Amino acid sequence: AQSVTQLGSHVSVSEGALVLLRCNYSSSVPPYLFWYVQYPNQGLQLLLKYTSAATLVKGINGFEAEFKKSETSFHLTKPSAHMSDAAEYFCAVSNSGGYQKVTFGIGTKLQVIP
Amino acid sequence: GAVVSQHPSWVICKSGTSVKIECRSLDFQATTMFWYRQFPKQSLMLMATSNEGSKATYEQGVEKDKFLINHASLTLSTLTVTSAHPEDSSFYICSAELGDDYEQYFGPGTRLTVT
Repeated sequence: AQSVTQLGSHVSVSEGALVLLRCNYSSSVPPYLFWYVQYPNQGLQLLLKYTSAATLVKGINGFEAEFKKSETSFHLTKPSAHMSDAAEYFCAVSNSGGYQKVTFGIGTKLQVIP
Repeated sequence: GAVVSQHPSWVICKSGTSVKIECRSLDFQATTMFWYRQFPKQSLMLMATSNEGSKATYEQGVEKDKFLINHASLTLSTLTVTSAHPEDSSFYICSAELGDDYEQYFGPGTRLTVT
């Protein structure tokens, strides 16, 4: 079985500060890992994904995440928060190979304080 | 890029009626589409996997007869909520899988309110 744990349902940062959203995964096989962003009343947009290539993954809007197998983590970071980053962020995992089922974390709501 | 649309974006219906939600892949063909349900302030829960030309695969606890899924073409999957009740009110999101990329492209969602 696969699962993800997002630590912190709400995170507040000041504009210009570092954004760190935590995600730990559990998977019986090498995982594919994703971060999605959701704005109010909208669907999900893929920020970045890890698919067993480079462990440091760069995504859109200046976000990046590092896959750390030893820590079973895939934390999302951004050096400098912008007001437009305020949204809900979901970490997700799927088993690599074959039929895909993506399991989502509960989400972390990011608040950016001006 | 790959675009997925949903229609309608918002629907209000009376208890006991049925509602159909469409999910379309606009610029690619999708053999597999997924239907999710999202309750307020909660994560997405996979309801079913929709395969073109075959029956959908439902997740445990999802009523097949209540949530009818039809994937009649490579660009269209529909979810029909039959005999809707207020507890069916939710945000329904579909996604379409593109090739071997393991990436799902999500629609904008449909907010269903049952009165």
